[in-house]
Amino acid sequence: GEDVEQSLFLSVREGDSSVINCTYTDSSSTYLYWYKQEPGAGLQLLTYIFSNMDMKQDQRLTVLLNKKDKHLSLRIADTQTGDSAIYFCAERNTGFQKLVFGTGTRLLVSP
Amino acid sequence: DTAVSQTPKYLVTQMGNDKSIKCEQNLGHDTMYWYKQDSKKFLKIMFSYNNKELIINETVPNRFSPKSPDKAHLNLHINSLELGDSAVYFCASSQGTPGGRAEAFFGQGTRLTVV
Repeated sequence: GEDVEQSLFLSVREGDSSVINCTYTDSSSTYLYWYKQEPGAGLQLLTYIFSNMDMKQDQRLTVLLNKKDKHLSLRIADTQTGDSAIYFCAERNTGFQKLVFGTGTRLLVSP
Repeated sequence: DTAVSQTPKYLVTQMGNDKSIKCEQNLGHDTMYWYKQDSKKFLKIMFSYNNKELIINETVPNRFSPKSPDKAHLNLHINSLELGDSAVYFCASSQGTPGGRAEAFFGQGTRLTVV
């Protein structure tokens, strides 16, 4: 089955690291994604990871994947106020032409 | 040079009316989607089309009828609008290469308010 869970809120101070967690249930997921949604805007793809990888780094973003535990995380280094947004993880499996999204984590960065 | 564009951005209408939302993508993708985002920001897929063919219909009421005249367009028509239809509707597209990355690119959303 498909079920993707995230914690709803995260609050950090500017300059700290943020870690947003995601758990999924579909073991046939091939790609996993992180999207960012700013207020009143659409979803912007931040990064992705293939299921045979366990880590991917992209500038301030680090994605960790624990396939055994079906756990995905997004670490944002040196978090800025402009990083305040809702972050969604999403999974895609081989069989279906769709992304299943997590519940979204609202990140609030305070100065 | 918008990749996925939806119109209108805002739509306010009365219960019982029929309305349409249009979506166009210029990315050359072969798969398009409609997602619904509710007031709690949960995103749920409604429909997916691949090369103009419906491949996913996620138990959406039949008041919602998607139409794909060509690969670049996917429109959503909603009949007899209800209060519970109020949400933000997102169009998205991806390249459906089997086993491929197929990340979805999203439009800016259409905020539908039914009064």
